[in-house]
Amino acid sequence: DIQMTQSPSSLSASVGDRVTITCRASQSISTYLNWYQQKPGKAPKLLIYGASSLRGGVPSRFSGSGSGTDFTLTISSLQPEDFATYHCQQSFSIPYTFGQGTKVEIK
Amino acid sequence: EVQLLESGGGLVQPGGSLRLSCAASGFTFSSFAMSWVRQAPGKGLEWVSAISGSTDSTNYADSVKGRFTISRDNSKNTLYLQMNSLRAEDTALYYCAKEQTKYQLYNWFDPWGQGTLVTVSS
Repeated sequence: DIQMTQSPSSLSASVGDRVTITCRASQSISTYLNWYQQKPGKAPKLLIYGASSLRGGVPSRFSGSGSGTDFTLTISSLQPEDFATYHCQQSFSIPYTFGQGTKVEIK
Repeated sequence: EVQLLESGGGLVQPGGSLRLSCAASGFTFSSFAMSWVRQAPGKGLEWVSAISGSTDSTNYADSVKGRFTISRDNSKNTLYLQMNSLRAEDTALYYCAKEQTKYQLYNWFDPWGQGTLVTVSS
């Protein structure tokens, strides 16, 4: 199975900050890496697919990059509605696997 | 609008069975693979099982293989998860999610249903 490791597991940031979350795969997954946002009590929502493609309707302050084993999710200017947990997921091989999640909290 | 609505969760004793359903609308159901993903209380996401659009291919996480069965009825636009021999560690919110093609792999999950809670306890 491909292991996905996110870092950090949590972070505190202020509105307007630039935030970067990383996700590392235990083996190369090309660009088959997706990012989801989950707010408390809600289902996850797709933000980015294929490592860097922004889902329609997602604000442009979100961006993704990377290939192979190392990936990043960047929020260029954190907004109040962005405080949530972010999950990465690989779809290169089955079983699909997720990172453990990164909780973004208000400083 | 694509909608997924899970049902069938509840409280069940260890060793018991439960069948989850996911009613889909707003898209051509048979044209897309579907997955079940679960989230234990306070924990991360765990993929459980997937099925291709035409039902000829299924896959399972090792943690549920041999106990859970995924199926779909394309005439009813409904996805199912039959869960047998349930264990305390199966306690979780179970989400169904739409994949992006008829086949598994290289996809992403969009959208997700709201989830149905399964609690395994005596």
